[in-house]
Amino acid sequence: LAKTTQPISMDSYEGQEVNITCSHNNIATNDYITWYQQFPSQGPRFIIQGYKTKVTNEVASLFIPADRKSSTLSLPRVSLSDTAVYYCLVGERDGTASKLTFGTGTRLQVTL
Amino acid sequence: EAQVTQNPRYLITVTGKKLTVTCSQNMNHEYMSWYRQDPGLGLRQIYYSMNVEVTDKGDVPEGYKVSRKEKRNFPLILESPSPNQTSLYFCASSTVAGVYEQYFGPGTRLTVT
Repeated sequence: LAKTTQPISMDSYEGQEVNITCSHNNIATNDYITWYQQFPSQGPRFIIQGYKTKVTNEVASLFIPADRKSSTLSLPRVSLSDTAVYYCLVGERDGTASKLTFGTGTRLQVTL
Repeated sequence: EAQVTQNPRYLITVTGKKLTVTCSQNMNHEYMSWYRQDPGLGLRQIYYSMNVEVTDKGDVPEGYKVSRKEKRNFPLILESPSPNQTSLYFCASSTVAGVYEQYFGPGTRLTVT
């Protein structure tokens, strides 16, 4: 499993765009990049997953450069309710995986 | 509504008193897993199951047991709880092909005194 590195914490004001970058220098050819969100005292929630270029859904966008050694989760116009811990995970998506390896994630604090 | 449920949500017990935390999912998922979350250590996998009657150890299985007799249920058993098992526990499920897209339960906060 490729190791990931993320900032420990980030602060933002409500209404701003937040970009959280994850480094995964040893990503393998078959690996996908997945992001989870966890609110205090709740289970993690799957946000988005991608392999290359850009993926967008109703919650976030995921930008992956051509070399795939990093990725950026973009949260548009954050609100107070986006305060959470965000985890970046890297691994195969094809049914060979048996577990998720969570790091310590990035703690995002959104204030007024 | 698709969901993973856990019971109890909160439990305070004493050292050595056997307990079971139940986990149930209604999505017909083959894969189920248990994690514990501790401050500074993140989420660590305890056990997982790829299907009925198939279970395997995760990263921190010591002191825990699991069973998978039915597809929807995956109970976590602590035969003789100790204070170092005080933690927040999460159950999760997914399809076998979608292990990176797991659905997590609400968590069980366990305190062992």
